[in-house]
Amino acid sequence: DTAVSQTPKYLVTQMGNDKSIKCEQNLGHDTMYWYKQDSKKFLKIMFSYNNKELIINETVPNRFSPKSPDKAHLNLHINSLELGDSAVYFCASSPLPGQGAQLFDTIYFGEGSWLTVV
Amino acid sequence: AQKVTQAQTEISVVEKEDVTLDCVYETRDTTYYLFWYKQPPSGELVFLIRRNSFDEQNEISGRYSWNFQKSTSSFNFTITASQVVDSAVYFCALSEAGGYSTLTFGKGTMLLVSP
Repeated sequence: DTAVSQTPKYLVTQMGNDKSIKCEQNLGHDTMYWYKQDSKKFLKIMFSYNNKELIINETVPNRFSPKSPDKAHLNLHINSLELGDSAVYFCASSPLPGQGAQLFDTIYFGEGSWLTVV
Repeated sequence: AQKVTQAQTEISVVEKEDVTLDCVYETRDTTYYLFWYKQPPSGELVFLIRRNSFDEQNEISGRYSWNFQKSTSSFNFTITASQVVDSAVYFCALSEAGGYSTLTFGKGTMLLVSP
């Protein structure tokens, strides 16, 4: 069973379109993330959700809107796609609990979604 | 602010050579976590190891070993007797303790192992 699954794995779309990437985790984790890997392989956090609540938004353009219908799902919707949005988007989850210092556990990544904007 | 530096952009070795991937980190926290991930050509991120800042014991797992030294803020990764299947991009990452911490990645080191 795939722990963190993303769909689609590959997506080619035209500039200006709106697209979504879906993510689901079956690990029972409370926290989910979206990371972006650019063409130079640099990985950076975009968003973090804990129990459906947005907790981190790393100055990502408003065109990117994450949605968490429940704590097992974190979808990424992108409006008005631009060439620079071409990247690999990784969903991830961890059992990191809510407020307060707790032991940090491992972040588990999905297989990535390759987005190409033409 | 936290930062992870992987100064080696690309390393090429021949099979059976030993290779060390360097990782230097910066953080103001006294409690933090260090990670290594492997990204093979197929693209997924594979978790290799997590260490917390209070545990400086070196770790060995098969051909892999990690050397954590707080005095030099380094968490280096050595592959012994490298194999072609070790060819991948390797990322070192840091997370500070706390309720909502996230991973800060280094820029990665591409390891090419040739037969």
